Amino acid sequence: EDQVTQSPEALRLQEGESSSLNCSYTVSGLRGLFWYRQDPGKGPEFLFTLYSAGEEKEKERLKATLTKKESFLHITAPKPEDSATYLCAVQGGSNYKLTFGKGTLLTVNP
Amino acid sequence: DAGITQSPRYKITETGRQVTLMCHQTWSHSYMFWYRQDLGHGLRLIYYSAAADITDKGEVPDGYVVSRSKTENFPLTLESATRSQTSVYFCASSARTGGGTEAFFGQGTRLTVV
Repeated sequence: EDQVTQSPEALRLQEGESSSLNCSYTVSGLRGLFWYRQDPGKGPEFLFTLYSAGEEKEKERLKATLTKKESFLHITAPKPEDSATYLCAVQGGSNYKLTFGKGTLLTVNP
Repeated sequence: DAGITQSPRYKITETGRQVTLMCHQTWSHSYMFWYRQDLGHGLRLIYYSAAADITDKGEVPDGYVVSRSKTENFPLTLESATRSQTSVYFCASSARTGGGTEAFFGQGTRLTVV
């Protein structure tokens, strides 16, 4: 059974203070690892897909990396508008369902 | 408008009543999913569908029924609502490709069972 564990559960940063979120996973035959952002009262918003170890993707202040056991979402010089819950999910095997972690609640103070 | 829409956005119902949550997508995606999101549990898969008339159970299917007679619609029915089904429900869809494919989510339905 696919499993995803995210840490920390919550992270509070000052504006401009860079940090990383962790996503550890176990999956049989990784098809893709996904990062989403979720704002309060809204559905998850897709950010990145990573397919294989060593891959990196960037978008503005966010960079996602992937190893065989975990993924990191690096946030460089965050701004208050980066405050949200960040979700990690994996897709593996022969079906297309996504298994999610419980998320990391990021708060960036001005 | 293109995308995935859920209705209603908010629903309050009584214990024992039947409730149907609607989901419609305009991308002609093959796969559709229903998740529930609860504090402390994150997003948990209820049911998913690979195509019209093909559905399968997820992690927490008990008390729910789905159907998919058309590619674009994937309604979720609570046959006899219970308080434990109070939650935020998200519908999602994804295309069928050879590799990993991201899912796109609707805005959610907040369901309260009293």
